[in-house]
Amino acid sequence: QVQLVQSGSELKKPGASVKVSCKASGYTFTKFSMNWVRQAPGQGLEWMGWINTNTGKPTYAQGFTGRFVFSLDTSVSTAYLQINSLKAEDTAVYYCAREVGTPEDHWGQGTLVTVSS
Amino acid sequence: SSELTQDPAVSVALGQTVRITCQGDSLRNYYASWYQQKPGQAPVLVIYGKNNRPSGIPDRFSGSSSGNTDSLTITGAQAEDEADYYCNSRDSSGNQVLFGGGTKLTVL
Repeated sequence: QVQLVQSGSELKKPGASVKVSCKASGYTFTKFSMNWVRQAPGQGLEWMGWINTNTGKPTYAQGFTGRFVFSLDTSVSTAYLQINSLKAEDTAVYYCAREVGTPEDHWGQGTLVTVSS
Repeated sequence: SSELTQDPAVSVALGQTVRITCQGDSLRNYYASWYQQKPGQAPVLVIYGKNNRPSGIPDRFSGSSSGNTDSLTITGAQAEDEADYYCNSRDSSGNQVLFGGGTKLTVL
């Protein structure tokens, strides 16, 4: 069965970087796009962008350019989200999600990133 | 416009019918999908396309569309349906994904 398993919670200081992983199994990784979605505490879902798992080309939503980097390691069927120069307002749960809003939709369990000094 | 607008909160009596709406210009070209999210859990897709339910979603969930407004209807709401519901679609250009602000459903 399709599974997206994300890395564990992270506690980081402002200015540091974090890399969240999303390991896919149960399907051919390069057949479906991977999206990243942010959910700040008590807030709604916010689409961050997606990465074409076949070409590696990322597309970033407005507000998620510059410090946010999507990448892949297709040899281990894993997508990554790296956030640089962390700020307190980056504190959120980050989800990877395959093919959002389609019959091929699947989500990871989420990764809590806490930014605090 | 690049926004999807939802009412922040809606309530329904147990066993009654409730409609949750999502408004946006892009919905004239794209159907909304709908997600259910319970506290501490990842969102779960309950409706996609014109009115399609993924496997395992009860048939009390249905979707409809009219002009720039899409709706999620729960017919015979159950206690376990109490959750946040988010609509999702493309923006008018088709290049970006949008989420509505979410509707908190309370089952009384």
